[in-house]
Amino acid sequence: DQQVKQNSPSLSVQEGRISILNCDYTNSMFDYFLWYKKYPAEGPTFLISISSIKDKNEDGRFTVFLNKSAKHLSLHIVPSQPGDSAVYFCAASEAQGGSEKLVFGKGTKLTVNP
Amino acid sequence: DVKVTQSSRYLVKRTGEKVFLECVQDMDHENMFWYRQDPGLGLRLIYFSYDVKMKEKGDIPEGYSVSREKKERFSLILESASTNQTSMYLCASSTSGQPQHFGDGTRLSIL
Repeated sequence: DQQVKQNSPSLSVQEGRISILNCDYTNSMFDYFLWYKKYPAEGPTFLISISSIKDKNEDGRFTVFLNKSAKHLSLHIVPSQPGDSAVYFCAASEAQGGSEKLVFGKGTKLTVNP
Repeated sequence: DVKVTQSSRYLVKRTGEKVFLECVQDMDHENMFWYRQDPGLGLRLIYFSYDVKMKEKGDIPEGYSVSREKKERFSLILESASTNQTSMYLCASSTSGQPQHFGDGTRLSIL
């Protein structure tokens, strides 16, 4: 039973355009959501997060939106850059901050074309 | 800056061997985790630990065990390696209220 779903295995966008990565979850106990970015041959690196009490969190080019009633979150990257090409993982936690047990989605491979 | 170091980047072992994967973090984090990453399956939690000598099973603990004798070190043990344990293994650490930091992974091949 997959509790965190990323239904798009891959996404391709042009440099300068917006990238939108989506994530759905089923467990209503999840209270905190994170996005990690992973380059080949490296470990995932934390990108941005959002608490369930918020509906938006922004950090530079990256914005995460949370729709709690739909159990859906999305990551927006504007403008997209070739260096953003990576696999993006959505993760969820029942605890604030993401320091405890995480449940990950399967990932979306983003390719930003010059 | 947080540093999570996994002892090997690449490892090749034979079926039936006992395999040790080591992870060390330098930030005095109380929480440590072991995940495996497989194509199309994302990251799956094997075991985690919230304190020295403490361990809890994750979602896929079968065939694995762990050891946490010191706060900075968390070892993953494959008791009798099998080919279906060929994978990328990722260690992470965290402190309360902060996101997990990952090492660069160990790509383990079981022949």
